[in-house]
Amino acid sequence: DAKTTQPTSMDCAEGRAANLPCNHSTISGNEYVYWYRQIHSQGPQYIIHGLKNNETNEMASLIITEDRKSSTLILPHATLRDTAVYYCIVRVSGPFQGAQKLVFGQGTRLTINP
Amino acid sequence: DSGVTQTPKHLITATGQRVTLRCSPRSGDLSVYWYQQSLDQGLQFLIQYYNGEERAKGNILERFSAQQFPDLHSELNLSSLELGDSALYFCASSVDGSAPTTDTQYFGPGTRLTVL
Repeated sequence: DAKTTQPTSMDCAEGRAANLPCNHSTISGNEYVYWYRQIHSQGPQYIIHGLKNNETNEMASLIITEDRKSSTLILPHATLRDTAVYYCIVRVSGPFQGAQKLVFGQGTRLTINP
Repeated sequence: DSGVTQTPKHLITATGQRVTLRCSPRSGDLSVYWYQQSLDQGLQFLIQYYNGEERAKGNILERFSAQQFPDLHSELNLSSLELGDSALYFCASSVDGSAPTTDTQYFGPGTRLTVL
């Protein structure tokens, strides 16, 4: 699985959009970008994933560059409850592509300020 | 609430002891994964089961073992416990591994193990 690089920490004001970048320059054509977050010591929470098209769900939007070497997770209206560690993970998906483990890096610690 | 349940929430035990952690996957999910999160190692994959069979192994110690039962719940057994085994243990589940929409992993709330 490709390696990802994320900033160690970020701050965002409550109500503003939080934009979390992730670099994955060695991503392969069949690898997806997944985002999870972990609030304090709770279980990681799935947010969104995508292959090459931009994706949006009720939680966030995922913007993947055309060359797929980087992506941005957007929380459109951040609240205090969005304070968490956000993990960007690249992995192969689909028909039992070997181990389906998630490889977590250090993530970005996002703090939403009132 | 992800739909994945784990028991117990907290476990305090002594070195040398053996414990069993339990995980019930989301209804309909066939795959179960175990992860360990310690302060110095971060979140690490331990092992995956699919429909009762072991599918993949990660950095799981020989003192640790797991199984998935016919009703699809899973247990992680930790024996000869050491101080360094103190960690959060998470279970995750996914439907299966056949498509990107069905192998997304959903995590449980975890079991906090403290070895004294």
